[in-house]
Amino acid sequence: DAGVIQSPRHEVTEMGQEVTLRCKPISGHDYLFWYRQTMMRGLELLIYFNNNVPIDDSGMPEDRFSAKMPNASFSTLKIQPSEPRDSAVYFCASSSHPASYGYTFGSGTRLTVV
Amino acid sequence: QKEVEQNSGPLSVPEGAIASLNCTYSDRGSQSFFWYRQYSGKSPELIMSIYSNGDKEDGRFTAQLNKASQYVSLLIRDSQPSDSATYLCAVNGARDDKIIFGKGTRLHILP
Repeated sequence: DAGVIQSPRHEVTEMGQEVTLRCKPISGHDYLFWYRQTMMRGLELLIYFNNNVPIDDSGMPEDRFSAKMPNASFSTLKIQPSEPRDSAVYFCASSSHPASYGYTFGSGTRLTVV
Repeated sequence: QKEVEQNSGPLSVPEGAIASLNCTYSDRGSQSFFWYRQYSGKSPELIMSIYSNGDKEDGRFTAQLNKASQYVSLLIRDSQPSDSATYLCAVNGARDDKIIFGKGTRLHILP
């Protein structure tokens, strides 16, 4: 299995631009999670999906952030417009049963907004 | 607000010694507990999971859980320089599928 695949690995963009992060979960994993990691705040859960349906988006910082999962093998996290404070590493993770098996993380996308 | 607390470190341990990492959590209903290892610039990697009180051993790693005290620990025996990383404690509650992470403890094994 190729694991959780995220793209791009690095993204540098100017303030005000739209940014789209992409994730392909492990085949057969029904849960998909988006996290953001910064030195100050650690790993923060933004949103998670079960069977392509958003279950909890209470961690999404504001309306500038949106996430979709159109099918079982693809999810996007979009930031529009981007701001310098959005600079962080964004991780996607998937699981077949979080309580029993935890998550498998992707390699992450390092986002820098200048 | 569910919380997972860890000492940020760095924790410095001589090579070959036992490294002890600790974590407390606030949600008394939590059911599943995990330790992740994260090397600098890499993603978190699951190394241990524990679900019931007591000890669970896997190679050089031992996870310990005390639900009454809301306390989880990770022991690393015969520490190696390759164990130098940040260790994240993570907790799953009984009411949803979310896993809450602590901010991690940086461990440095001294050669």
